[in-house]
Amino acid sequence: RKEVEQDPGPFNVPEGATVAFNCTYSNSASQSFFWYRQDCRKEPKLLMSVYSSGNEDGRFTAQLNRASQYISLLIRDSKLSDSATYLCVVFGGMGTYKYIFGTGTRLKVLA
Amino acid sequence: SQTIHQWPATLVQPVGSPLSLECTVEGTSNPNLYWYRQAAGRGLQLLFYSVGIGQISSEVPQNLSASRPQDRQFILSSKKLLLSDSGFYLCAWKGTSGVTIEFFGPGTRLTVL
Repeated sequence: RKEVEQDPGPFNVPEGATVAFNCTYSNSASQSFFWYRQDCRKEPKLLMSVYSSGNEDGRFTAQLNRASQYISLLIRDSKLSDSATYLCVVFGGMGTYKYIFGTGTRLKVLA
Repeated sequence: SQTIHQWPATLVQPVGSPLSLECTVEGTSNPNLYWYRQAAGRGLQLLFYSVGIGQISSEVPQNLSASRPQDRQFILSSKKLLLSDSGFYLCAWKGTSGVTIEFFGPGTRLTVL
């Protein structure tokens, strides 16, 4: 089992749609969780951290379910500019400095 | 403000040639530094990380090596490149306070022919 797994997509959605991505992780001791966005041939950029209580940033909502070891990202009212690859990232914890990246979920928002 | 530099931006090298990629960070001290590789259509693979000068942790056995000669300098090297070394190499840093890797460098796109 991969340490961090994501559906690679692509998810093709029309403008204005709501889309959700899930990510599962295998290490139950993982401490911190994040979503990054990566545009084609560019470096990843932090989109948002994920907290146990769930958190929202504008049209983006992130959730963490520690019992089931998955995190989610919900995008409401999709924009063309949301088209990108979304990377799930897990910080290993237990005294390590390792960040484990998922392979990413590709989103295409269509006009 | 913190900035991270990588060079070169693109590189085409023949199989068997040496490699040296450099990453420098400005605006912070004692950062944790990371080298990642992203192969075409694949996720980011952690190659090395360093929590201080001269300290290197290797994650994947391979023909690459890393060094940290100064606090804000991180170098990725190879004596002989393989075809499989092609990819997008990203340097990243994290400050000693906080958890997030907030900054990736712009990356070096390496093609080994």
